[in-house]
Amino acid sequence: QQQVKQSPQSLIVQKGGISIINCAYENTAFDYFPWYQQFPGKGPALLIAIRPDVSEKKEGRFTISFNKSAKQFSLHIMDSQPGDSATYFCAASIQTSGSRLTFGEGTQLTVNP
Amino acid sequence: GAVVSQHPSRVICKSGTSVKIECRSLDFQATTMFWYRQFPKQSLMLMATSNEGSKATYEQGVEKDKFLINHASLTLSTLTVTSAHPEDSSFYICRGQGSNTEAFFGQGTRLTVV
Repeated sequence: QQQVKQSPQSLIVQKGGISIINCAYENTAFDYFPWYQQFPGKGPALLIAIRPDVSEKKEGRFTISFNKSAKQFSLHIMDSQPGDSATYFCAASIQTSGSRLTFGEGTQLTVNP
Repeated sequence: GAVVSQHPSRVICKSGTSVKIECRSLDFQATTMFWYRQFPKQSLMLMATSNEGSKATYEQGVEKDKFLINHASLTLSTLTVTSAHPEDSSFYICRGQGSNTEAFFGQGTRLTVV
């Protein structure tokens, strides 16, 4: 019940296109859903996060869509750029449990010029 | 944003030796430090959680005598891999959490045991 399932495992898009990564969770107690971006040899960096009281959050080219009833959330990267090529991880946590994250398996995004 | 500085970024050690990895929170007090391990093309696996001044809580299957965690101050936590073996080669990442703040990852340490 602690798992977070992420898809696809890898994704190739053309520059200017939309990248979409999906995650699904089981534990309805999760109340914080961040997305992380990781470049090779570096630690993950927080990209954007959402709480279940809203269905969408947008920051620049990055948007999280959240469907509480379906227990799914997704990351949309608009106008994808080669510099966005990285591994993306979704995660979930129960904030009262001390920020312990459960990570998805990761998606390797490649944006071709 | 807040910064967690992790050192070294890369280390190569001989089998049987010990390696210490440091994580410092530079502009906040990390009351909790999470330590992760990541194999190539895989997700992050939580190894242990430490609270300042307390013993670390290890995840199931993680040997506490092999992966020693010290969190003696609010700005410094260390992970020591003792008697390292080639199978311990991995990417180790810390994540510092302050009181009522977002948590921040360190830059990671690539450990290679030869």
